[in-house]
Amino acid sequence: EDQVTQSPEALRLQEGESSSLNCSYTVSGLRGLFWYRQDPGKGPEFLFTLYSAGEEKEKERLKATLTKKESFLHITAPKPEDSATYLCAVQTGNTPLVFGKGTRLSVIA
Amino acid sequence: NAGVTQTPKFRVLKTGQSMTLLCAQDMNHEYMYWYRQDPGMGLRLIHYSVGEGTTAKGEVPDGYNVSRLKKQNFLLGLESAAPSQTSVYFCASSYYPGQGSLQPQHFGDGTRLSIL
Repeated sequence: EDQVTQSPEALRLQEGESSSLNCSYTVSGLRGLFWYRQDPGKGPEFLFTLYSAGEEKEKERLKATLTKKESFLHITAPKPEDSATYLCAVQTGNTPLVFGKGTRLSVIA
Repeated sequence: NAGVTQTPKFRVLKTGQSMTLLCAQDMNHEYMYWYRQDPGMGLRLIHYSVGEGTTAKGEVPDGYNVSRLKKQNFLLGLESAAPSQTSVYFCASSYYPGQGSLQPQHFGDGTRLSIL
């Protein structure tokens, strides 16, 4: 059974304090891994798709990386507006996505 | 550009009542999905559809029914609501995953459903 585990469950950072969120997965035949951002009261918003180990994608203060067993979402010099829940999800074959439970990030000014 | 629209945004039901949640997308996506999101449980797939007239069960289908009579609409029905179905329901849509680049799912902003 495909499994996706995100850690930590919650993370509190000071503004400017860089850190990383982890998404580890146990799947057969990974086709791709997605990162989403979810603001309170809103639906998840797509950030990145990663396909193979070694791949990196960047958007503003966010950089996502992928290895054979996990993905990291690095947040460089975060700002309060980066506060959100970050979700990762994996795709195998044409089956529906399997989501992790998310990491709730709070960035304090 | 509307994207994925869910109706209603909030609803309170009594145990045993029935209701239908509506999802509409204007992106011509083939695939549509219904999820529920509960604290500590993450997003769990209820049902999904790979095209007009088709539906399939997800991880937690019991107590729900769905229909996809038109490509742009996906309905989620609760025939006899139970307190355990109190949750936030999200609809999503995507292009066919295909053999090449994967297509991300696009989400609506959810329906908050409370069952007393």
